[in-house]
Amino acid sequence: EDQVTQSPEALRLQEGESSSLNCSYTVSGLRGLFWYRQDPGKGPEFLFTLYSAGEEKEKERLKATLTKKESFLHITAPKPEDSATYLCAVQNTGNQFYFGTGTSLTVIP
Amino acid sequence: ETGVTQTPRHLVMGMTNKKSLKCEQHLGHNAMYWYKQSAKKPLELMFVYSLEERVENNSVPSRFSPECPNSSHLFLHLHTLQPEDSALYLCASSQDLGRVGSPLHFGNGTRLTVT
Repeated sequence: EDQVTQSPEALRLQEGESSSLNCSYTVSGLRGLFWYRQDPGKGPEFLFTLYSAGEEKEKERLKATLTKKESFLHITAPKPEDSATYLCAVQNTGNQFYFGTGTSLTVIP
Repeated sequence: ETGVTQTPRHLVMGMTNKKSLKCEQHLGHNAMYWYKQSAKKPLELMFVYSLEERVENNSVPSRFSPECPNSSHLFLHLHTLQPEDSALYLCASSQDLGRVGSPLHFGNGTRLTVT
């Protein structure tokens, strides 16, 4: 069964303290792995698509990487405005999307 | 307006009421989706439309009834809901159904409370 597991469930960082969020997945043929950011009271905002193992994408302080079993979202020198819930999702060959339950990130000034 | 717009943002309804959620996308996409988001749970797919035709109904109770009059608009009609239906209902769109790596673009959701 296709599924996505994200860890940790919650993460508190001091401003400037770099860390990584994990997304482990099992999927019947990966067509894409997606990272989203969700602020309270809003819908998920698309960040990255990764297609194959070894691929990396960057945006400001965020870098997403992909292996055959997991993806990491690295946050370098985070700022309070990076506080949000980060969601991971995979698309399988049946064009179905499976989401994780997210990591709630809090960056303390 | 750009992106995906959902109205209303908040809705409180009794179990015997009938209400509708509205979604409009301004991205020129051909596929639209309804998702349910509950605390501590993954997003739960409810319905998928491609070029105005329903292609997936994910075992959703009949008290939820979708409607897609054109590729830009999507509705979710609600009637005789239960308290456990309280959740954030998200509308999303994508370029085409099944396009490799085509992300979903979400609206800001309707926060539904059933009393």
